[in-house]
Amino acid sequence: GAVVSQHPSRVICKSGTSVKIECRSLDFQATTMFWYRQFPKQSLMLMATSNEGSKATYEQGVEKDKFLINHASLTLSTLTVTSAHPEDSSFYICSAARQGANYGYTFGSGTRLTVV
Amino acid sequence: AQKVTQAQTEISVVEKEDVTLDCVYETRDTTYYLFWYKQPPSGELVFLIRRNSFDEQNEISGRYSWNFQKSTSSFNFTITASQVVDSAVYFCALSFNDYKLSFGAGTTVTVRA
Repeated sequence: GAVVSQHPSRVICKSGTSVKIECRSLDFQATTMFWYRQFPKQSLMLMATSNEGSKATYEQGVEKDKFLINHASLTLSTLTVTSAHPEDSSFYICSAARQGANYGYTFGSGTRLTVV
Repeated sequence: AQKVTQAQTEISVVEKEDVTLDCVYETRDTTYYLFWYKQPPSGELVFLIRRNSFDEQNEISGRYSWNFQKSTSSFNFTITASQVVDSAVYFCALSFNDYKLSFGAGTTVTVRA
């Protein structure tokens, strides 16, 4: 079945530093990937839609300069949290969609970011 | 605009009891997809089911069953004979053809031995 690998699973960083999270589709090509954020005991909120070879589309209220998304290949999308602050501490999850299909969107295992 | 409402925040049951999770959705689209995901304490999202708007047949998969009623815009999920391993947060979600998922707030299910 479709597998999406997300790394790292946990990261602790100092305030002001940047953190990169990777999302890879292992056995299929993903033209579109999605990045979600989940605060404790809350639902998943879509941050942005990442399309291979083009700029990401950000949801309202998400700072594109703070959350840099790069989707340079059909199997890799990265999310970089720049100048992270404690309020950016959250659970970040990516999902990947198969080309030409509307499947059950395979999700990565998530990254728990803690900014101290 | 699309919206998913899971009115039940938390449900606690004793093992072997049945538990039904409610999901009500709003959309103006005639073609849409409904999903249920399970999120155990480890955090990953486990896909349970996808249903398109033209298929109102109920579905059963082992101890899981789903009831899709377009007339009431509901897509309810029942766990029969619950087990401790069913303890998790369950999310109902809705998507249009652009793949984006709109999630409900989630229902935390706790199954006690």
